[in-house]
Amino acid sequence: EAGVVQSPRYKIIEKKQPVAFWCNPISGHNTLYWYLQNLGQGPELLIRYENEEAVDDSQLPKDRFSAERLKGVDSTLKIQPAELGDSAVYLCASSAQNNEQFFGPGTRLTVL
Amino acid sequence: RKEVEQDPGPFNVPEGATVAFNCTYSNSASQSFFWYRQDCRKEPKLLMSVYSSGNEDGRFTAQLNRASQYISLLIRDSKLSDSATYLCVVKLNDYKLSFGAGTTVTVRA
Repeated sequence: EAGVVQSPRYKIIEKKQPVAFWCNPISGHNTLYWYLQNLGQGPELLIRYENEEAVDDSQLPKDRFSAERLKGVDSTLKIQPAELGDSAVYLCASSAQNNEQFFGPGTRLTVL
Repeated sequence: RKEVEQDPGPFNVPEGATVAFNCTYSNSASQSFFWYRQDCRKEPKLLMSVYSSGNEDGRFTAQLNRASQYISLLIRDSKLSDSATYLCVVKLNDYKLSFGAGTTVTVRA
């Protein structure tokens, strides 16, 4: 069974540029999560989707971050404009209902 | 104060040794507890759940002390492949996981 797929795996951009990350969850998983992981820290939840509905976006910095999951499957996380402090690993996870969360390999973002 | 605090280590141990470490959590209403393993530049993966009665999975033993709000992990007979960062994770409600910063373990030959 395929796991959570994310792309790109690595992204290097200059500050003030936009960037987007894509996630395809495990088939059948209705819950999708985006996490941010800074170096030397644990993942922190940015947003959680139940199907196509964002049910918890309280930790998403809405001035520059946005996310969507239009058809309740794939999801995109966008940053516009990116800042130096956004350099981190962006992890996508999915779960069936509120069961175990399975993580994707992440997108490592470097903002120069 | 962070919700989950861990000793970052690193714990540098020889093969075959026993290594143990723990974490503390601040929210007494936390529902469930886990240890995740994260290899360098890889995603976190569930290692094991932690129960009040304590539980074992092969060479790994996890303990939960609700009164003192700490969770422990013990690895017996360490293998080179045990080298990783171990994340202490607390489930605050039906879905929200709070991760510690991780404890790094390096097993040397």
